[in-house]
Amino acid sequence: ILNVEQSPQSLHVQEGDSTNFTCSFPSSNFYALHWYRWETAKSPEALFVMTLNGDEKKKGRISATLNTKEGYSYLYIKGSQPEDSATYLCAFFMDSNYQLIWGAGTKLIIKP
Amino acid sequence: DADVTQTPRNRITKTGKRIMLECSQTKGHDRMYWYRQDPGLGLRLIYYSFDVKDINKGEISDGYSVSRQAQAKFSLSLESAIPNQTALYFCATQSGSAYGYTFGSGTRLTVV
Repeated sequence: ILNVEQSPQSLHVQEGDSTNFTCSFPSSNFYALHWYRWETAKSPEALFVMTLNGDEKKKGRISATLNTKEGYSYLYIKGSQPEDSATYLCAFFMDSNYQLIWGAGTKLIIKP
Repeated sequence: DADVTQTPRNRITKTGKRIMLECSQTKGHDRMYWYRQDPGLGLRLIYYSFDVKDINKGEISDGYSVSRQAQAKFSLSLESAIPNQTALYFCATQSGSAYGYTFGSGTRLTVV
C-alpha cells in the first residue's frame, strides 16, 4: 500500500520564528512531489512541483527540498507570519500517468 | 471569475436522494479530478478524466458516478446518497503530470 506521511500533524510557531516539516513518500518509481498550502475556508493552492533529486525550490519565504533516493521532502518557512497559518499538504506522483497520493497534512498555526 | 468553479458550495440532502455536484473550468486543462476530504484523512480520489471520452475510477469510486460532458465540465453524481458520503468535495484540474493542480472552492455535502 502506497503511503505518504507528513509530520508533525500540527505545529505551533511563534511569529518571526522559522520552521520546517517533513513529507515522506515511497522512494521507488518516483515521478513528482507536490506541495500545497490550504488555508481555512479556501481551496488548496499549489506551492511547488518537484521532480529531480536534490531539487530546491523557493517562493518568497517558503522553500522546499527533495531527496528521492531516501523518499523525503522538507518544507521550510523563514520568519513565520500570521498569514502562513494553513495546512500544508504534500502529494506523491508515482509515474507520469498515475494519480497523486496525498498526505494528511501539517497544520501550522502562527502565534502572534 | 474563478478558474475552477464548483456548484453548489453547500448542500444538505436526505439519505437515498440523487445529487449532482458540478465543476466547470476556464483553464483549458484536459485533466480533471474529483476528490473527497474527510477530517484527519488525506484527499482521496473518486474519479478522474484525462479527456472528454476518458473516465477512470479512483480509490473510492463506489457509490459515485461521473460525466465529462465537455473539456470544461466534469460532474459528480451520488446516485443514492448515504450519510457516510458526508464530506468536503473538491474538483481539480491539471494541464499535465509536471504541473500542480488547480482546485475549485469545494462543495460541503451533508447527507442526513
